Amino acid sequence: GNSVTQMEGPVTLSEEAFLTINCTYTATGYPSLFWYVQYPGEGLQLLLKATKADDKGSNKGFEATYRKETTSFHLEKGSVQVSDSAVYFCALSVAGGGADGLTFGKGTHLIIQP
Amino acid sequence: DAGVIQSPRHEVTEMGQEVTLRCKPISGHNSLFWYRQTMMRGLELLIYFNNNVPIDDSGMPEDRFSAKMPNASFSTLKIQPSEPRDSAVYFCASSPQNSPLHFGNGTRLTVT
Repeated sequence: GNSVTQMEGPVTLSEEAFLTINCTYTATGYPSLFWYVQYPGEGLQLLLKATKADDKGSNKGFEATYRKETTSFHLEKGSVQVSDSAVYFCALSVAGGGADGLTFGKGTHLIIQP
Repeated sequence: DAGVIQSPRHEVTEMGQEVTLRCKPISGHNSLFWYRQTMMRGLELLIYFNNNVPIDDSGMPEDRFSAKMPNASFSTLKIQPSEPRDSAVYFCASSPQNSPLHFGNGTRLTVT
């Protein structure tokens, strides 16, 4: 079956530090990959996506590259801010943009300290 | 764009009672999804609809759970009877064809 594995949190960093949140996946076929972010008390919001191997998704300074050879989609940001504190979810879909629903990782809680 | 609207935001009920959660998807989105979020299990897909038709309900945990989508602008998730282990945040999401999901702000359910 399909599954997503994320690094366990919480991840605590100082402002302006470099961020990496690891994500690996197992899927049948060629999935699309996503990162969603959840702020306290809110639903998930799409952060970025990639639909094929070697694609790089980017948004708000965050980047992730679809690595088929290592089945990974690690999230990176060069300089984090306090406002980036949230829970980050890696997800995949084997039916285009998510028409079959997304398979999510368990989420990584990111805490940025001033 | 009002986004996906869920109600209520919070629901506290006693074990054995019926609970109904409501969702209004974004206009024009033809797919609707119900997810459950808990600390232990993370986000689980319960059921999804395409053009108001249930496509996959294999994630619905038990017969106590049921979902309907009587029209393109409304869906309900019902739990009858509710149990304490049903306590979770329930999210509704919608999407247009082959596009990423848009989530509502969720309903936090507490069953005592």
